[in-house]
Amino acid sequence: QKEVEQNSGPLSVPEGAIASLNCTYSDRVSQSFFWYRQYSGKSPELIMSIYSNGDKEDGRFTAQLNKASQYVSLLIRDSQPSDSATYLCAVFKAAGNKLTFGGGTRVLVKP
Amino acid sequence: DTAVSQTPKYLVTQMGNDKSIKCEQNLGHDTMYWYKQDSKKFLKIMFSYNNKELIINETVPNRFSPKSPDKAHLNLHINSLELGDSAVYFCASGPTTGTGSKNIQYFGAGTRLSVL
Repeated sequence: QKEVEQNSGPLSVPEGAIASLNCTYSDRVSQSFFWYRQYSGKSPELIMSIYSNGDKEDGRFTAQLNKASQYVSLLIRDSQPSDSATYLCAVFKAAGNKLTFGGGTRVLVKP
Repeated sequence: DTAVSQTPKYLVTQMGNDKSIKCEQNLGHDTMYWYKQDSKKFLKIMFSYNNKELIINETVPNRFSPKSPDKAHLNLHINSLELGDSAVYFCASGPTTGTGSKNIQYFGAGTRLSVL
């Protein structure tokens, strides 16, 4: 079992719809959770961080964390063509002191 | 003013050669990282330095040797390059090791290495 798992996609959504991305992680002691966006040929860019159970909203993005289920998600509201990218889920745990990335979900927003 | 900068952006070289990639951050962070992203886009940590001290050394061939002359710089030297080393190498930096926002990492633009 991979430490951090994501559906590779592509997740195709029409412009203006909600894109829903999921991520599961295997280690219960994981502490911090991040979503990075990576455009093709570019570097990962942090878009959301979440540290406690519940929802966290920032603009059109909402991150949701459920530690009991070892599940973190990202919602993108009012999806725009510029949201087309690969979204990487990343999980930090103090043991090992490192950030582990999932394989990424490719999102395609169609006009 | 770029926060995490890497050079070169592209590196094309022959098998067996030795090459170096340089990274500098001006964010005042204590911790720097090297990641490798392969053709399947999987991003995996290779090394981490905290204030010039090596703290993470993943299962990486010893042909790869990181060096941190100070906490703002982390270089990666690769000896005897192999075809399988072709990938994008990202440098990243973060405030410090710890919890919460201290684990946020900021990435450089990447170095695309092609070994022929």
